[in-house]
Amino acid sequence: ETGVTQSPTHLIKTRGQQVTLRCSSQSGHNTVSWYQQALGQGPQFIFQYYREEENGRGNFPPRFSGLQFPNYSSELNVNALELDDSALYLCASSDGGDSPLHFGNGTRLTVT
Amino acid sequence: KQEVTQIPAALSVPEGENLVLNCSFTDSAIYNLQWFRQDPGKGLTSLLLIQSSQREQTSGRLNASLDKSSGRSTLYIAASQPGDSATYLCAADLTGGFKTIFGAGTRLFVKA
Repeated sequence: ETGVTQSPTHLIKTRGQQVTLRCSSQSGHNTVSWYQQALGQGPQFIFQYYREEENGRGNFPPRFSGLQFPNYSSELNVNALELDDSALYLCASSDGGDSPLHFGNGTRLTVT
Repeated sequence: KQEVTQIPAALSVPEGENLVLNCSFTDSAIYNLQWFRQDPGKGLTSLLLIQSSQREQTSGRLNASLDKSSGRSTLYIAASQPGDSATYLCAADLTGGFKTIFGAGTRLFVKA
């Protein structure tokens, strides 16, 4: 059973650019969530996808968008990058309901 | 608005000590509560998940309890080891499971 994998592991972008982060869910999981974790803080919920539809969103602006594909892999897109977007971006998958979240190792994004 | 608070923010103990980490949440209408471990620069590893109808869960040296009426959960670690050194995060799933709110974590250091 493969776990959650994220790519790339590290990324450096310039303010104003756009970035796409990728996540492969754990086998059999149909729900994926994205989180932003600033240094020294807990993860903040960005949004969740279930069977290719967004079904929950946190307090993030529309320049944060996502996709979930038929194989349940997912992308997080961030447009017009700002310095404060520098963080660890975590993807988590589950098979919904009351099952635990399984996290990937994250993508460390640095915006300069 | 659901808020999750963890106390203490950091803890240093000698090897072999039993310890308790605390988590409090403001809204008792939670779906479940999950405890995670995070090693530096890494993703989160699920430790224990307690359903809203349950009072506690145990796994090895770990025991987590949930008291919805008082808005509190505790993680008990028995006979701590240096390998337990990490940040421990609790997360409350809001009713419906569409949004997970994390605390800022407790950084634990176990001295050999």
